[in-house]
Amino acid sequence: QQQVKQSPQSLIVQKGGISIINCAYENTAFDYFPWYQQFPGKGPALLIAIRPDVSEKKEGRFTISFNKSAKQFSLHIMDSQPGDSATYFCAASSGAGGTSYGKLTFGQGTILTVHP
Amino acid sequence: KAGVTQTPRYLIKTRGQQVTLSCSPISGHRSVSWYQQTPGQGLQFLFEYFSETQRNKGNFPGRFSGRQFSNSRSEMNVSTLELGDSALYLCASSFGQGTEKLFFGSGTQLSVL
Repeated sequence: QQQVKQSPQSLIVQKGGISIINCAYENTAFDYFPWYQQFPGKGPALLIAIRPDVSEKKEGRFTISFNKSAKQFSLHIMDSQPGDSATYFCAASSGAGGTSYGKLTFGQGTILTVHP
Repeated sequence: KAGVTQTPRYLIKTRGQQVTLSCSPISGHRSVSWYQQTPGQGLQFLFEYFSETQRNKGNFPGRFSGRQFSNSRSEMNVSTLELGDSALYLCASSFGQGTEKLFFGSGTQLSVL
């Protein structure tokens, strides 16, 4: 019940295209859904996050779409750039029931390659 | 403001040895979490500390332990190292309880030979 499933495992897009990464969760207690970006040799960096009371959040070229009834959320990267090439992780956490937001459950990651 | 600092950056140990990794959180942050990252298992939660108290623990054997000091700095220890402990160990800090945003360090790459 703690799993977060992420797809695809890898994604190749052309510069200027749209990158879409999907995640599905099982635990309905999750109430915080961040996306992290990780470059080789670095730790994950928080990209954008959403709470389940909204269906969409946009920050620059990055948008999270959230479907509470389907227990799914996705990351859209508009106008993808070669500098966006990295590994992206979705995650989920809950502040309820004795747990805390410090305990993130991560998806398996998506390796994004943006060709110039 | 300095980010999360982890030392050492790289570490090579042999089976059966023990290792201690260190994490200095962002100034003012009081919560520290530890994660293990491997190609096969991905990112897995180890434990979380707040105000020197362990708040949560992941599904790892007792060989994995940690602590937090009064200045919020944290250490994790792995005893009796196994080959499967080879991984990138990441520390993340956040402002405090109820704070969602985690900020990760660059990690300590541990190789067990």
